[in-house]
Amino acid sequence: DGGITQSPKYLFRKEGQNVTLSCEQNLNHDAMYWYRQDPGQGLRLIYYSQIVNDFQKGDIAEGYSVSREKKESFPLTVTSAQKNPTAFYLCASSPRGTLPGNEQYFGPGTRLTVT
Amino acid sequence: AQSVTQLGSHVSVSEGALVLLRCNYSSSVPPYLFWYVQYPNQGLQLLLKYTSAATLVKGINGFEAEFKKSETSFHLTKPSAHMSDAAEYFCAVSLLSGNTPLVFGKGTRLSVIA
Repeated sequence: DGGITQSPKYLFRKEGQNVTLSCEQNLNHDAMYWYRQDPGQGLRLIYYSQIVNDFQKGDIAEGYSVSREKKESFPLTVTSAQKNPTAFYLCASSPRGTLPGNEQYFGPGTRLTVT
Repeated sequence: AQSVTQLGSHVSVSEGALVLLRCNYSSSVPPYLFWYVQYPNQGLQLLLKYTSAATLVKGINGFEAEFKKSETSFHLTKPSAHMSDAAEYFCAVSLLSGNTPLVFGKGTRLSVIA
């Protein structure tokens, strides 16, 4: 089955630790995205990547880092510099980059809790 | 910059009643528009997409949306709500030009009362 996988579903970390969230897609999509979701705030874009070895900051990139070494993988690292990392994180991909009208497909999400 | 506004963060309807979720966009040029649904603790699923081919767009699960340029709106409707429709719904916009990710509204949570 083609799709986007995110692991783990739930992740718990101590404050001050970096943590990496996994996102893998086998849809052969060019672009991949990371969003953060908090109650009442909708989806906020963290980073996106249109091609391998290239990525752009979104609206809330501070405290996060990404890499895109392979087309199918776009891991997100939440660093200790992120002041309030507890949230639901969603990964998405789209088949034709960020061209107009290009819908995005979403993974199931990872819920990160930092205490 | 383009944006979407979803009126009402929470809408409650009775089972069998009409569902109406509102979305307005801000763009001088009619954009591409999308509706997504999110069930608790899951990712987003595409309901439907407006691409200028037809102003009335039919989606999955009995939902449809009508593009109205004069009102800059793309409201989502369903004639008869089911309990399974309880979820959060997001409107999103993509401009006809440019090369940027979708911009999402803040979402509307739909509750269905038995």
